[in-house]
Amino acid sequence: DVKVTQSSRYLVKRTGEKVFLECVQDMDHENMFWYRQDPGLGLRLIYFSYDVKMKEKGDIPEGYSVSREKKERFSLILESASTNQTSMYLCASKERKLFFGSGTQLSVL
Amino acid sequence: GENVEQHPSTLSVQEGDSAVIKCTYSDSASNYFPWYKQELGKRPQLIIDIRSNVGEKKDQRIAVTLNKTAKHFSLHITETQPEDSAVYFCAASRGYGGSQGNLIFGKGTKLSVKP
Repeated sequence: DVKVTQSSRYLVKRTGEKVFLECVQDMDHENMFWYRQDPGLGLRLIYFSYDVKMKEKGDIPEGYSVSREKKERFSLILESASTNQTSMYLCASKERKLFFGSGTQLSVL
Repeated sequence: GENVEQHPSTLSVQEGDSAVIKCTYSDSASNYFPWYKQELGKRPQLIIDIRSNVGEKKDQRIAVTLNKTAKHFSLHITETQPEDSAVYFCAASRGYGGSQGNLIFGKGTKLSVKP
């Protein structure tokens, strides 16, 4: 069965903190993605990766970076969290079809 | 780049009625069109998809139709049930690999099925 696991379901951080969101997939997929979901705005692509150590910007990369040191793990980094980064973050992996993790609801106070 | 418009943003139907959600896309090279269902507090899950060489696809009570000429595709749910209540997202992409394989999502439709 397909499995994309995000390390935290809920996270509360303070403005200015460095935040790490972790995602692991067990399907040996090469393609991994980070989306942000906000009410009324749908799913917006932040960053994606096609291979280890490879990354490309999506539609809204500002304020974020990513790391992919191993094929199964794709991390999203908020270098200095801000209140406008309060959102639901969804990781996904893909071969022919896209599978989502259960999401991390991040609140930045 | 690709742009996907989805309508309506909210839809309320009586149990047993049909529901139709429509999406239009801008990139004529798009060839893959999935639909995702997201129940409250859960992850989006793929419920049906269609490729551009097919005009219609059915899976039990759900069906998707594609009109390549008009660049629109629709999700049809028949005999709706309360458990169909969720947010539905359409998406489009140009292929499998590279940035062309990235899905562009519509903004979602919140479907409410009243018992």
